[in-house]
Amino acid sequence: KNQVEQSPQSLIILEGKNCTLQCNYTVSPFSNLRWYKQDTGRGPVSLTIMTFSENTKSNGRYTATLDADTKQSSLHITASQLSDSASYICVVSSPYNTDKLIFGTGTRLQVFP
Amino acid sequence: EAGVTQFPSHSVIEKGQTVTLRCDPISGHDNLYWYRRVMGKEIKFLLHFVKESKQDESGMPNNRFLAERTGGTYSTLKVQPAELEDSGVYFCASSQEGRLPYEQYFGPGTRLTVT
Repeated sequence: KNQVEQSPQSLIILEGKNCTLQCNYTVSPFSNLRWYKQDTGRGPVSLTIMTFSENTKSNGRYTATLDADTKQSSLHITASQLSDSASYICVVSSPYNTDKLIFGTGTRLQVFP
Repeated sequence: EAGVTQFPSHSVIEKGQTVTLRCDPISGHDNLYWYRRVMGKEIKFLLHFVKESKQDESGMPNNRFLAERTGGTYSTLKVQPAELEDSGVYFCASSQEGRLPYEQYFGPGTRLTVT
């Protein structure tokens, strides 16, 4: 079983709508949680990084939340744009090795006009 | 500032052949990582260099994989001999020493197909 589970696997929304992606992890102890955006054919690009003591972090229209007690995180996208179509990947690391990132399988988001 | 670059972007080889992937990190980044994604699976860590030293190679699947980082600049990942299950996308990332957590910057990846 994967240590980082994401839902939904895929999502289709209309341009201008909001959406929320979910991430549950079992990595324990836990050091930090990241959300990456990956466009087709490109490498992942960091959106947010949160340490265990933070519970929210924003980057423009992207807002990540973290509940370290329940081991859950969400990524909320506001007023979606066509360019938001991509895979969104939740990534966790432990304090024993903060460089070794543990990836989820991602949520594939498609935004249609 | 140039990002992480990888070469080639695509490689198609036959089973049993050798392939060498190259990664050029962002200039000045001491940390260099290799990851890979096989079909339908999540991206997985392979190894981590600090300058020219292997800090962590716990994710390397077997001894057919050899990573080097001579001089602490670019890195190569050699697969010899390649097997069908080695097909996937190989990503390289780099980060700079400094305040934790380190931001890892990813390259575009090399898509390897073993036939």
